[in-house]
Amino acid sequence: QSAPTQPASVSGSPGQSITISCTGTSTDVGTYHLVSWYQQHPGRAPNLIIYEGTKRPSGVSNRFSGSKSGNTASLTISGLQTEDEADYFCCAYAGGSTWLFGGGTKLTVV
Amino acid sequence: QLQLQESGPGLVKPSETLSLTCTVTGDSVYNSDSYWGWVRQTPGNGLESIGSIYYTGKTYYSPFLNSRVTISVDTSKNQFSLKLSSVTATDTAVYYCARHVSQSATTAAGAFDIWGQGTMVTVSS
Repeated sequence: QSAPTQPASVSGSPGQSITISCTGTSTDVGTYHLVSWYQQHPGRAPNLIIYEGTKRPSGVSNRFSGSKSGNTASLTISGLQTEDEADYFCCAYAGGSTWLFGGGTKLTVV
Repeated sequence: QLQLQESGPGLVKPSETLSLTCTVTGDSVYNSDSYWGWVRQTPGNGLESIGSIYYTGKTYYSPFLNSRVTISVDTSKNQFSLKLSSVTATDTAVYYCARHVSQSATTAAGAFDIWGQGTMVTVSS
């Protein structure tokens, strides 16, 4: 078992949309719907923004959305804002006692 | 409002045991939808789930750390703890405690929905 793969960095301009992928395997992302996404600003703890692949916790902006196709989960941020600049991590259940975090993606809003 | 707070030494010597405690306020560790977990973040290497515990004492550990990890819960103090044995420099990280929602919960199943602020632990002689 290995960590899902995320792009190291993505960038976008204010108002644009970006998508961050989280590519796993048929034994984690491809099998279970338990994919979550986290936003982390520098020096802060991660914050849950998507759970069960597509659902948003209360208080999280509807500009954040999640989806899944096959072995790849995706996070889309629409209407980019400067405060969206942060690191983003996916987490996938891989069965048994194994939860795998992706390597993280640094989002730059330029 | 649920809050978590890590505490413990910031410096541990190689080969010794890292010990951290997480104090839960605003909710009870008896919450049937909650596991209580530990996640660490190594410099430049992203996040890693270490393991979690239910109030009954049922635990699950990462298979990558299983042989060195012990997580326990003290229901009388509303705390849970992490012990990681035989540490090396590669265990240097920020350690977070977090609520890990049960897979059977009706919402946020499987998510780490509440996090402590994190505590930096350095392994060095």
